Amino acid sequence: QQQVRQSPQSLTVWEGGTTVLTCSYEDSTFNYFPWYQQFPGEGPALLISILSVSDKKEDGRFTTFFNKREKKLSLHIIDSQPGDSATYFCAASETGANTGKLTFGHGTILRVHP
Amino acid sequence: DAGVTQTPRHEVAEKGQTIILKCEPVSGHNDLFWYRQTKIQGLELLSYFRSKSLMEDGGAFKDRFKAEMLNSSFSTLKIQPTEPKDSAVYLCASSPGGPQYFGPGTRLLVL
Repeated sequence: QQQVRQSPQSLTVWEGGTTVLTCSYEDSTFNYFPWYQQFPGEGPALLISILSVSDKKEDGRFTTFFNKREKKLSLHIIDSQPGDSATYFCAASETGANTGKLTFGHGTILRVHP
Repeated sequence: DAGVTQTPRHEVAEKGQTIILKCEPVSGHNDLFWYRQTKIQGLELLSYFRSKSLMEDGGAFKDRFKAEMLNSSFSTLKIQPTEPKDSAVYLCASSPGGPQYFGPGTRLLVL
């Protein structure tokens, strides 16, 4: 049972363009949504996160949007750079529950061409 | 502060061998997770500890996979006996609650 779905599976953009990755989830108790960035040979690294009380969070070139009604979130990367080429995972959890478990999406492979 | 460390970074095993992977979480983090990562299955949770107590022992992995947390600063994942289908990257993560912080992983190849 896949509770967090990501799309697309892979994406290629040109340097300077805007990248948009999306996620949807099923469990309405989820209220914390981190995005992770993973380079080959490394573990996933926390990139940006958002709580369900917000609809937008920005960190430099990275912005995540949250739509509670539609149970969807997205990650936008403006001015995409070749160094952004990586696999991106969205995840979800319920803060306040007695568990620290995250449910991960399957990931999106991003390639940014110079 | 030191991040999550994992050793070894690479491991090659013969089918049927026993291997032990090691993880040192970030100091002060109460939660520790072991994951298996493959291209097909993505990130699969193997085990989850909270304050050294086993909270979840990923169902399908119970028979040959055993994670232990001997103290708050060290955990092991034993695979016994190994099979070729166990070839994957094994990731350890720790958390103070909320975000998880991952180690670099151990890439396991079982021949």
